[in-house]
Amino acid sequence: QITLKESGPTLVKPTQTLTLTCTFSGLSLTSSGVGVGWIRQPPGKALEWLAVIYWDDDKRYRPSLKSRLTITKDTSKNQVVLTMTNMDPVDTATYYCAHRRGYVSGASYSGYAFDIWGQGILVTVSS
Amino acid sequence: DIQMTQSPSSLSASVGDRVTITCRASQGISISLAWYQQKPGKVPKLLIYAASTLQSGVPSRFSGSGSGTDFTLTISGLQPEDVATYYCQKYDSAPLTFGGGTKVEIK
Repeated sequence: QITLKESGPTLVKPTQTLTLTCTFSGLSLTSSGVGVGWIRQPPGKALEWLAVIYWDDDKRYRPSLKSRLTITKDTSKNQVVLTMTNMDPVDTATYYCAHRRGYVSGASYSGYAFDIWGQGILVTVSS
Repeated sequence: DIQMTQSPSSLSASVGDRVTITCRASQGISISLAWYQQKPGKVPKLLIYAASTLQSGVPSRFSGSGSGTDFTLTISGLQPEDVATYYCQKYDSAPLTFGGGTKVEIK
């Protein structure tokens, strides 16, 4: 059974850096095809994909936020960490991490949807 | 980047009605399309992937269709527990964009 859980500060000040940790079990980020992503949802608004990291340390980011985001993994701790710099009140949202599986065929990777999600963590940006 | 547009943004239907939600990609994405259900105050739940494959445990009244740029989520016989916001998402390649959501209510 795969589970994921987000942790981190629930209140940050404008201009500060947010660091969120996704701790998971039941999956291995060393297994071919596995990925863990981050998605956020501002209050009352739609889901926004932010970033994803894969078993081979490949990383992808939301283009509009690429300069502010960093995603890393610690396979020994079963954790994925997302950092977002220069936080602003518009970044107030519930942040989710989620599991993505996929497979490699030849030189190409084919991924699937986010099938297992964490419970989410509400982060408020306010002075 | 490919944009995902859902319509309508909200709808109200009666219990037992057939409900259809559409999702359009600005470029072709083959069948790399997922649908999620998010009930009020809850975590999004994967309903359908590969445009038409039901995730395990999802009721058969949910179905998906389409390929390329046009996709549809259908609820055949709306139930009170289906009140939720539904999102489509492309996952062929990054960015893994979500649609704007469709809020489904009971009339």
